[in-house]
Amino acid sequence: GAGVSQSPSNKVTEKGKDVELRCDPISGHTALYWYRQSLGQGLEFLIYFQGNSAPDKSGLPSDRFSAERTGGSVSTLTIQRTQQEDSAVYLCASSFNPGLVLRGKNIQYFGAGTRLSVL
Amino acid sequence: GNSVTQMEGPVTLSEEAFLTINCTYTATGYPSLFWYVQYPGEGLQLLLKATKADDKGSNKGFEATYRKETTSFHLEKGSVQVSDSAVYFCALAVSGGSYIPTFGRGTSLIVHP
Repeated sequence: GAGVSQSPSNKVTEKGKDVELRCDPISGHTALYWYRQSLGQGLEFLIYFQGNSAPDKSGLPSDRFSAERTGGSVSTLTIQRTQQEDSAVYLCASSFNPGLVLRGKNIQYFGAGTRLSVL
Repeated sequence: GNSVTQMEGPVTLSEEAFLTINCTYTATGYPSLFWYVQYPGEGLQLLLKATKADDKGSNKGFEATYRKETTSFHLEKGSVQVSDSAVYFCALAVSGGSYIPTFGRGTSLIVHP
């Protein structure tokens, strides 16, 4: 597609339920990132995928959070047993090649995010 | 490690006022610097960037100069409009590192007519 697509745009769930958030990056982009943006907070890095390499999961806040990227394209962020503090906007971004500064190949393109509300 | 510090918001201005949003950084290695803007209900989008010292990035009337001596990348605009109301994020990325950009906390700008 023309840009990074995220779905759903809004998700309301009950505490304790599992949720799946989807990200469809720009075609051809090798890198994919997930971030969390809480009210009044900045961007919190969660996880990073680059090509076929093992993902960098250093930002995941707990083992309730996991993510997959199938076929080097679409990614799913899963939150198990959701808690109220998980309520936030979850942003996905992709880039063509984060290692290439020249010609702006390392620029990130963001989706509009999924607003998650845990009741 | 890498870090980005932005001025606290919100910044509230009248239309046509001069804008400065301060951003300073620390980095291991030689960073590229970015400003991203997030309009209400949308994701972040790149506003401007600079890849080496003394470079000036500019777009839509905004500009920022990469100052290595002061480790700063302040965002400026000579005359803001109501449509500039958004959250602005300063960020850096270091080639050869983890390729995970470091973002500031964001600065909310509110422009009144």
